[in-house]
Amino acid sequence: AQKVTQAQTEISVVEKEDVTLDCVYETRDTTYYLFWYKQPPSGELVFLIRRNSFDEQNEISGRYSWNFQKSTSSFNFTITASQVVDSAVYFCALSEAYNFNKFYFGSGTKLNVKP
Amino acid sequence: DVKVTQSSRYLVKRTGEKVFLECVQDMDHENMFWYRQDPGLGLRLIYFSYDVKMKEKGDIPEGYSVSREKKERFSLILESASTNQTSMYLCASSPAGTVGTNREQYFGPGTRLTVT
Repeated sequence: AQKVTQAQTEISVVEKEDVTLDCVYETRDTTYYLFWYKQPPSGELVFLIRRNSFDEQNEISGRYSWNFQKSTSSFNFTITASQVVDSAVYFCALSEAYNFNKFYFGSGTKLNVKP
Repeated sequence: DVKVTQSSRYLVKRTGEKVFLECVQDMDHENMFWYRQDPGLGLRLIYFSYDVKMKEKGDIPEGYSVSREKKERFSLILESASTNQTSMYLCASSPAGTVGTNREQYFGPGTRLTVT
């Protein structure tokens, strides 16, 4: 069964628009971790955030914010006032506590930010 | 900063060739991983290693093998390359996780392999 779903394959926005990338996950574990990664055109995945299942507080880091809702099994990522440099593929991933070396990645969302 | 390097950014090989992809990390991480990335499929785990000489199969190990003789180096081997192994290959490393403390993985720049 698919563990992480990123239903948005590709999103295009104009610079300065806000954009939300959706991530829905599935797990039976009560303890798990969620991650977001950015993959710019250069190819290297860059770690953005890690969240554990016991911490539902929203996180903000500059223009980035994350909304974790266990009730809907979602961990959405919002970029405020998008910039061209935000153009990348973004991946959401899940790691379960009793299988902590294995990451389940979503299929990624390609974000195009146009000037 | 964690540094994960891969031996080549681009590689072109012929069908049937033996191919070695090398990955080196400089942060003394216990875990190392090999993924392949294909459009629409995200990242799929090929193999991972949690210690020197230790390895475990991931989701798609067929056609691949790995070697970890030193802690910092993890090699992916395509014994006889085939065209369906044309893909982007990503190496990653992470510190040893413990139950309840899962750690993020750090990725290298990737190797785009084309098998003709």
